[in-house]
Amino acid sequence: AQTVTQSQPEMSVQEAETVTLSCTYDTSESNYYLFWYKQPPSRQMILVIRQEAYKQQNATENRFSVNFQKAAKSFSLKISDSQLGDTAMYFCAFMKLPSNSGYALNFGKGTSLLVTP
Amino acid sequence: DVKVTQSSRYLVKRTGEKVFLECVQDMDHENMFWYRQDPGLGLRLIYFSYDVKMKEKGDIPEGYSVSREKKERFSLILESASTNQTSMYLCASSSGQIDGYTFGSGTRLTVV
Repeated sequence: AQTVTQSQPEMSVQEAETVTLSCTYDTSESNYYLFWYKQPPSRQMILVIRQEAYKQQNATENRFSVNFQKAAKSFSLKISDSQLGDTAMYFCAFMKLPSNSGYALNFGKGTSLLVTP
Repeated sequence: DVKVTQSSRYLVKRTGEKVFLECVQDMDHENMFWYRQDPGLGLRLIYFSYDVKMKEKGDIPEGYSVSREKKERFSLILESASTNQTSMYLCASSSGQIDGYTFGSGTRLTVV
């Protein structure tokens, strides 16, 4: 079974600053995907960014980027120029490929991020 | 706009009641999931379904069952609700493609 660990239950950052959320995972699989999801107070889960394990290049989506270290099984999320709207729970998630679980996601426990003015 | 709809945003039930949580998707997705979300525990998979009338246990199926009679609808059933089932329940569906995962907005269930 895969485990996903987010070691920071809560974090705080000032507006316009940069923050990094950590995620490590444990798997014996060689082919998989990694995700970061955002859950604002509205409760709607929103995909922030994803990374294919076979790709060396780190994924980037506007102000969001990842540092994917496959050998270290680490997948951290960097948020640049933090905005008040980034305040949310952030979940790291793992998906094994091929999947025998209908492509179910395996989630970490989450990091609560607060962006302050 | 494609979506996953959960029938109730908030629900209060009594201990011992049979509870149905409904989830409907309009994307013709084969795969549907029920997760439970608790503070400090993240999201945990209860059950999933990869086809009509097919179901598989996830990580925490005890005390729950599911029904999928139609492709678009996936129901979570609490046969006899207990207070330790007070939680947020999230439904999701997936096409199996990597960008085809969509969540509902959750049902916060309180069992008293």
